[in-house]
Amino acid sequence: AQTVTQSQPEMSVQEAETVTLSCTYDTSESNYYLFWYKQPPSRQMILVIRQEAYKQQNATENRFSVNFQKAAKSFSLKISDSQLGDTAMYFCAFMHYYNNNDMRFGAGTRLTVKP
Amino acid sequence: DSGVTQTPKHLITATGQRVTLRCSPRSGDLSVYWYQQSLDQGLQFLIQYYNGEERAKGNILERFSAQQFPDLHSELNLSSLELGDSALYFCASSVGGQGSSGNTIYFGEGSWLTVV
Repeated sequence: AQTVTQSQPEMSVQEAETVTLSCTYDTSESNYYLFWYKQPPSRQMILVIRQEAYKQQNATENRFSVNFQKAAKSFSLKISDSQLGDTAMYFCAFMHYYNNNDMRFGAGTRLTVKP
Repeated sequence: DSGVTQTPKHLITATGQRVTLRCSPRSGDLSVYWYQQSLDQGLQFLIQYYNGEERAKGNILERFSAQQFPDLHSELNLSSLELGDSALYFCASSVGGQGSSGNTIYFGEGSWLTVV
């Protein structure tokens, strides 16, 4: 079974600074997808960024970028120029390439952006 | 707005009762997923439907059941409710099948269930 580990239960960062959230996963598959979801206090689950394992280029979405290290099974999220609205719980998730059911989530990292 | 619609947004009910949560997927999405998130917990996968048929089951209790209708909306039925069933229930949808675009799951805003 695939497992997703987020080793940082809580983190904080000053506004306008950069922060990196860690995620590791365990799988025997070679093709899969990785995601970061954001859950603000409203509890809505918002897709932040997606990475296909077969792509070597790291995904980027505006201030959000990932560092995907396939051999190390690591998928970290970097948030640049942190904003107060980035305060949220962040979940890393894994999904099979050929079977998109049962997406596995990590336990989450609670990020607080301080003014 | 993800395009996934869930109703009701909030629900308070007594132990032993039965409730139904409803979900309309994004236009064009064939797969519907149900997740449970208890207070300060991660997301637990409950069940997935694809084009009307059950595709996968996760940690869904026998007291819970779901279905997906021909118009692709889905309902999650929770019966003989217990205090521990209080949680945020998410519905999510995806195009389904293989391919990168099909494998992105979009979440609704969730249905808050409180059992008293």
